[in-house]
Amino acid sequence: GAGVSQTPSNKVTEKGKYVELRCDPISGHTALYWYRQSLGQGPEFLIYFQGTGAADDSGLPNDRFFAVRPEGSVSTLKIQRTERGDSAVYLCASSGQGAQEQYFGPGTRLTVT
Amino acid sequence: AQKITQTQPGMFVQEKEAVTLDCTYDTSDQSYGLFWYKQPSSGEMIFLIYQGSYDEQNATEGRYSLNFQKARKSANLVISASQLGDSAMYFCAMREGLGTGNQFYFGTGTSLTVIP
Repeated sequence: GAGVSQTPSNKVTEKGKYVELRCDPISGHTALYWYRQSLGQGPEFLIYFQGTGAADDSGLPNDRFFAVRPEGSVSTLKIQRTERGDSAVYLCASSGQGAQEQYFGPGTRLTVT
Repeated sequence: AQKITQTQPGMFVQEKEAVTLDCTYDTSDQSYGLFWYKQPSSGEMIFLIYQGSYDEQNATEGRYSLNFQKARKSANLVISASQLGDSAMYFCAMREGLGTGNQFYFGTGTSLTVIP
């Protein structure tokens, strides 16, 4: 079956602009996660959804970051007033009910100029 | 304190040889899970192997095995019979608690290069 997909694969935006990053998880996976990976680092947790609700958003760095998952499937990560420090690869992962591992998408590379 | 520490930024191994990638973790939880992921240059994180804190046997998946030493809080990945396609970044990760929904903590990764 299809894996986790993310769009766009690359996004270049100017400082101060608003961006939306989309994640389409594996069909049937109820858990969805967003991570951010800076160059030379491992992924860092941002937010976790169980169904439609954000079960843990403790990793969101500030109130410019927001994510939604209105129908319990596709999720959108929204970043307002982007800053150069937001440049990173944003990874999405999903996990099936009771499963231990998370399955990752290919990521969206965000560059803020 | 870092939850996951990977002290080898880069490793080299001869094709067909075995290699061990080190990982130590820090948690006060009794229940936790340990994971290894491979990240090729394409960027996608590929799940390799999982070890639960209560599992008494070391996990194995094909050429991958996890050397779990609970008292030392280490979870080293052993790759046997290395192949050129094994060249990639490798990340160790931990999830605290029993809940499968909890976030993963990742290390900084080890870059493995397989030499023909």
